Amino acid sequence: QKEVEQDPGPLSVPEGAIVSLNCTYSNSAFQYFMWYRQYSRKGPELLMYTYSSGNKEDGRFTAQVDKSSKYISLFIRDSQPSDSATYLCAMSTGGYNKLIFGAGTRLAVHP
Amino acid sequence: GAVVSQHPSWVICKSGTSVKIECRSLDFQATTMFWYRQFPKQSLMLMATSNEGSKATYEQGVEKDKFLINHASLTLSTLTVTSAHPEDSSFYICSAGGQDYEQYFGPGTRLTVT
Repeated sequence: QKEVEQDPGPLSVPEGAIVSLNCTYSNSAFQYFMWYRQYSRKGPELLMYTYSSGNKEDGRFTAQVDKSSKYISLFIRDSQPSDSATYLCAMSTGGYNKLIFGAGTRLAVHP
Repeated sequence: GAVVSQHPSWVICKSGTSVKIECRSLDFQATTMFWYRQFPKQSLMLMATSNEGSKATYEQGVEKDKFLINHASLTLSTLTVTSAHPEDSSFYICSAGGQDYEQYFGPGTRLTVT
């Protein structure tokens, strides 16, 4: 079993839809949770960064962490074609410890 | 803020030669930088962690004599692929650690060894 599980998709949605992306993990020591967006042939871009459980909102993006269920989510409201990318969840136990990445979910938002 | 650059963005070299890739944090200082490798349609694989002024820590299975990492300043880390071979062809991405332990990634360097 992988430490971090993420459905690779692809996920195809119409423009304006609400997108839900999820990751589950097995290591209860993870405390820092990140979501990155990666366009083809580019480096990942940090979208959301949360510590421990709870919700965090930034514009159209909302990140949720449920440590009791070992489950994190990223919601994208009013999705746009420019949101089409691969979304990677990542987590660590703290400090500059190794980031553990999910496999990435490919999202396509069609007009 | 939190911009990380890499140079070059794309390099082609002949088998047996060495290639140096630079990673710079442009608007912040990073005591810790990371080097990753990514194969097509796969997630990132951490190669090594570098701390300014000290030796890099390599992940298991990564040859430290082949992938030389130098982190000489708070804004610059370099990765040198020595005696490159076609199997070293990949997408190399660096990241720099922010003040809250988040990581900011560079745009990546595509290495092709012929």
